[in-house]
Amino acid sequence: AQTVTQSQPEMSVQEAETVTLSCTYDTSESDYYLFWYKQPPSRQMILVIRQEAYKQQNATENRFSVNFQKAAKSFSLKISDSQLGDAAMYFCAFGSSNTGKLIFGQGTTLQVKP
Amino acid sequence: KAGVTQTPRYLIKTRGQQVTLSCSPISGHRSVSWYQQTPGQGLQFLFEYFSETQRNKGNFPGRFSGRQFSNSRSEMNVSTLELGDSALYLCASSLGPQGGNQPQHFGDGTRLSIL
Repeated sequence: AQTVTQSQPEMSVQEAETVTLSCTYDTSESDYYLFWYKQPPSRQMILVIRQEAYKQQNATENRFSVNFQKAAKSFSLKISDSQLGDAAMYFCAFGSSNTGKLIFGQGTTLQVKP
Repeated sequence: KAGVTQTPRYLIKTRGQQVTLSCSPISGHRSVSWYQQTPGQGLQFLFEYFSETQRNKGNFPGRFSGRQFSNSRSEMNVSTLELGDSALYLCASSLGPQGGNQPQHFGDGTRLSIL
């Protein structure tokens, strides 16, 4: 069974600095998708970035980028030039093309200090 | 384009009662998934409906059930409520089935409190 692990329950970063959130997963599949979702205190979860496992190139969305290491089953999220609005809980998720399931990690709460 | 709409936003029930939560997906989305979010357990998958059929189910007791209508709207029902059912229930919709590259679009959730 697939699992997703976020080993950092809480992280903090100074405004304008860079922070990296860790995520590892376990799977025997070769075809899958990975996502990072953000849940601000207002609670609506929104998609931050996604990565197709068959693509070697790391996905980037403005200040958000990932470091996808398929062999190591690692999918970390880097937030550059952190802003106060980035404060939220971040969830890493694994999407299985095989089982059709989406599995979330436990989440990392990110605090941004002014 | 309207987002995912969940009703009600807040609900207070007592043990033993039953509750029905509603979710209207984004127009054109055929997949609706339900999640339970609690501080202790995190985000747990309940079930997914695609084109009116339950496609996947999480590890929840039979007290938790759902259905999807022909217009893709979905309802989730919890019977014989227990204190441990207190949680934020999130609904998410996507164009295609869950698990693929289709991102999930989430609603604001229904906060269920059991007294």
